[in-house]
Amino acid sequence: KNEVEQSPQNLTAQEGEFITINCSYSVGISALHWLQQHPGGGIVSLFMLSSGKKKHGRLIATINIQEKHSSLHITASHPRDSAVYICAVQGAQKLVFGQGTRLTINP
Amino acid sequence: NAGVTQTPKFRVLKTGQSMTLLCAQDMNHEYMYWYRQDPGMGLRLIHYSVGEGTTAKGEVPDGYNVSRSTTEDFPLRLLSAAPSQTSVYFCASSSFGGRNTEAFFGQGTRLTVV
Repeated sequence: KNEVEQSPQNLTAQEGEFITINCSYSVGISALHWLQQHPGGGIVSLFMLSSGKKKHGRLIATINIQEKHSSLHITASHPRDSAVYICAVQGAQKLVFGQGTRLTINP
Repeated sequence: NAGVTQTPKFRVLKTGQSMTLLCAQDMNHEYMYWYRQDPGMGLRLIHYSVGEGTTAKGEVPDGYNVSRSTTEDFPLRLLSAAPSQTSVYFCASSSFGGRNTEAFFGQGTRLTVV
């Protein structure tokens, strides 16, 4: 079993829909990152969380340390949000990545 | 500009050739990592370092060497390239573990071994 599990692996939605991507982890962490990668592009950090909730524009990230679970929400989704979203946890010595969620938003 | 600088961005190698992927960060981060990304596989850790003078193996270390002689630099060496090493390589760095840990990524190196 992977230390970091994301769901769903693939998600297709219509423009304007509310999107939720989930991340569960099984190891102790000091922080959790949500990352975005566009096709052929580099990796950009969206959020770094150690507790509670953070919001940036239409993106919201939450984390429940007790349940070892985090969610990334996108409100009023847009085709430019189409990308791979990756959850990564900071363990004692290294970052551990989830498999990523490929999000496609159709106009 | 502060961040992680990775070079080159693209490279084509012949089987058996050697090369070094360079990674430098100017944020005084203790932790540095090398990952490879393959279709359907996600990011897999090759090697990492928790500080100057230290290195450790990740999930897929075979065929790669690293060194950490300075805090800033963490080069990845392919001693004898194989087609199985065709991939996109990402270098990353982060500050010491804790609630204020942040991670930064290089732009990636697309390597093709023919």
